[in-house]
Amino acid sequence: EPEVTQTPSHQVTQMGQEVILRCVPISNHLYFYWYRQILGQKVEFLVSFYNNEISEKSEIFDDQFSVERPDGSNFTLKIRSTKLEDSAMYFCASRESPNVLTFGAGSRLTVL
Amino acid sequence: AQSVTQPDIHITVSEGASLELRCNYSYGATPYLFWYVQSPGQGLQLLLKYFSGDTLVQGIKGFEAEFKRSQSSFNLRKPSVHWSDAAEYFCAVGATSGTYKYIFGTGTRLKVLA
Repeated sequence: EPEVTQTPSHQVTQMGQEVILRCVPISNHLYFYWYRQILGQKVEFLVSFYNNEISEKSEIFDDQFSVERPDGSNFTLKIRSTKLEDSAMYFCASRESPNVLTFGAGSRLTVL
Repeated sequence: AQSVTQPDIHITVSEGASLELRCNYSYGATPYLFWYVQSPGQGLQLLLKYFSGDTLVQGIKGFEAEFKRSQSSFNLRKPSVHWSDAAEYFCAVGATSGTYKYIFGTGTRLKVLA
C-alpha cells in the first residue's frame, strides 16, 4: 500500500537553529499538509499546499515556518529559527481524493 | 468553523469489556468523520471513516462507529476490548470543501486492565 514517508524520524536541535523536515507524499497525490502534535496534546493543523502554493494556514504557521515542494517528489517544512515550544511531532499528509488524508509516521523534533 | 469535542480524556476498561468513546462535532453541513488510533511514539492509524450512507461504519481491529446527525456525534465502539487496544484515540472532522483539512479532537487515552 502506498505510504507517505517522512525524514528524519527524530531530530534534536539547538534553539535558534534552522530545521527542515522532509516528506515524500504518495506519488499521484496533489494536496499536501503539515500537522503538529505537541507531546500529550492534540494534532493541530499547520498548513495545506496545492499547486505549488499555500492554500490555507493556521495561526500557528507564522513567519518562522515555510513550506516548499522543491522537486516532483519532496514536500518540506522549514522552521527558520527554532524555539523550545517548537518541540513536537510533525506529521505530513497527502491526499488525492477529496476526503481521505494519508498520514506519515511523523518526525519528532526536540529543541534544546 | 469545524470543531471536535472528545469529552473523555482518560478511559479505563477491563479486558473483555465493551468500549464506547464519545465524539461530538461542530460543522455547517454533514462532514467527513474519522477515528484514528495512536500508540505511544507512533503515527496515526486510520480506524474507520464516514462519508455518507449507512450511519454505522465498520473499521479495522473490530471497531465500529455510528454517525448520529441529530446529536452531532460519531461515537466509537468495540464489543470486547483487548489489551493491545490501549492507545490514544482521536476523532477528526474533515471539511467537505476548500482544503478538505481535518480538525482533530483532543484525544481519549484508553487504558486496559488485565
